[in-house]
Amino acid sequence: EAGVAQSPRYKIIEKRQSVAFWCNPISGHATLYWYQQILGQGPKLLIQFQNNGVVDDSQLPKDRFSAERLKGVDSTLKIQPAKLEDSAVYLCASSLAPNRVYEQYFGPGTRLTVT
Amino acid sequence: KQEVTQIPAALSVPEGENLVLNCSFTDSAIYNLQWFRQDPGKGLTSLLLIQSSQREQTSGRLNASLDKSSGRSTLYIAASQPGDSATYLCAVSPRRDDKIIFGKGTRLHILP
Repeated sequence: EAGVAQSPRYKIIEKRQSVAFWCNPISGHATLYWYQQILGQGPKLLIQFQNNGVVDDSQLPKDRFSAERLKGVDSTLKIQPAKLEDSAVYLCASSLAPNRVYEQYFGPGTRLTVT
Repeated sequence: KQEVTQIPAALSVPEGENLVLNCSFTDSAIYNLQWFRQDPGKGLTSLLLIQSSQREQTSGRLNASLDKSSGRSTLYIAASQPGDSATYLCAVSPRRDDKIIFGKGTRLHILP
């Protein structure tokens, strides 16, 4: 069974530029999560999708971050414009169902550096 | 608000030693607790999951304990090996359908 795929693996941009990350969850997993992990910190949930609907985006900085999961499968996370403090690893995870949030499978992450 | 704390932040031990990583959480009303492993450039892998009604879980050289009333968990690694070098994250789930709350992790380095 293929795992959670993410691309790109690394991205370096200048502040005020835009960037987008892509995630393909495990086949059949209805729930998808985006996390931000700043160096030395634990992952922080940015947004949770159930199929193509948003379940929780309470910690998403909506003035600059956006995410979508149009067909209930792949997802993209966008930052526009980026700030220095957005430098982090962005992790995507998926789980089979919303009542199994604790059983998440993580992708390798995208390391973003904003200069 | 649930908070998860891990001590120490970093640890280096010689190969072959047994070691303990600590985790504490502020709200004892949890559904379960997990220990994850994170390797550089890779995602998180769940090592052990302890349900709130359980006291411990074991997998190979790993043993995790849970004392819900005191808000503490430990991860015991026996006979450590260089391949155990990684960051270990503790995480709690308040409910089965609620988001996971992570600690900051302990960076473990096993010296050959």
